[in-house]
Amino acid sequence: KQEVTQIPAALSVPEGENLVLNCSFTDSAIYNLQWFRQDPGKGLTSLLLIQSSQREQTSGRLNASLDKSSGRSTLYIAASQPGDSATYLCAVALFSGYSTLTFGKGTMLLVSP
Amino acid sequence: SQTIHQWPATLVQPVGSPLSLECTVEGTSNPNLYWYRQAAGRGLQLLFYSVGIGQISSEVPQNLSASRPQDRQFILSSKKLLLSDSGFYLCAWRGGYGYTFGSGTRLTVV
Repeated sequence: KQEVTQIPAALSVPEGENLVLNCSFTDSAIYNLQWFRQDPGKGLTSLLLIQSSQREQTSGRLNASLDKSSGRSTLYIAASQPGDSATYLCAVALFSGYSTLTFGKGTMLLVSP
Repeated sequence: SQTIHQWPATLVQPVGSPLSLECTVEGTSNPNLYWYRQAAGRGLQLLFYSVGIGQISSEVPQNLSASRPQDRQFILSSKKLLLSDSGFYLCAWRGGYGYTFGSGTRLTVV
């Protein structure tokens, strides 16, 4: 059974810092990995999607990497801002088609001004 | 472009009352649709998924049921709510760019 772990569970940093969120998964035979952002009381917003054949994806100040063989992904946030404060969720899909997502429990990020 | 709509946004229901949450998708056909629940302090749990009209798969035994009466409509129901059904319910569909989630329904059973 696929298990997804996210470290740290919570992170508090001052504005401007670069930071790394970690995600690990037990079954390396994934189809893709997706990073989401969740604001309090809101739905999930997709940030980045990495296919199993890819090593990384970038969007603005966000960069996600994937090392499938070791079962790890990292989300790098450059020059953090208070507006980045949210919970970040990592999720993996095992195959295409109707494959469901297995989620980690998230990293709660607080960026203080 | 594809959009997903979910309603209501919040709901307070007494124990033993029925439930109906609706999710609709626009801009795509024959989508794979999913219901997830997020309980306080816990991760996201898959409840149901559907690959087509009338096709429902359940991941865990529970007090809930799902139906897909139309291609782009997915409904989550219960005949009698329990306190343990409280949580944040999210509908999602899967496309070429991964999963897209709705804005969620906060259900409180009192």
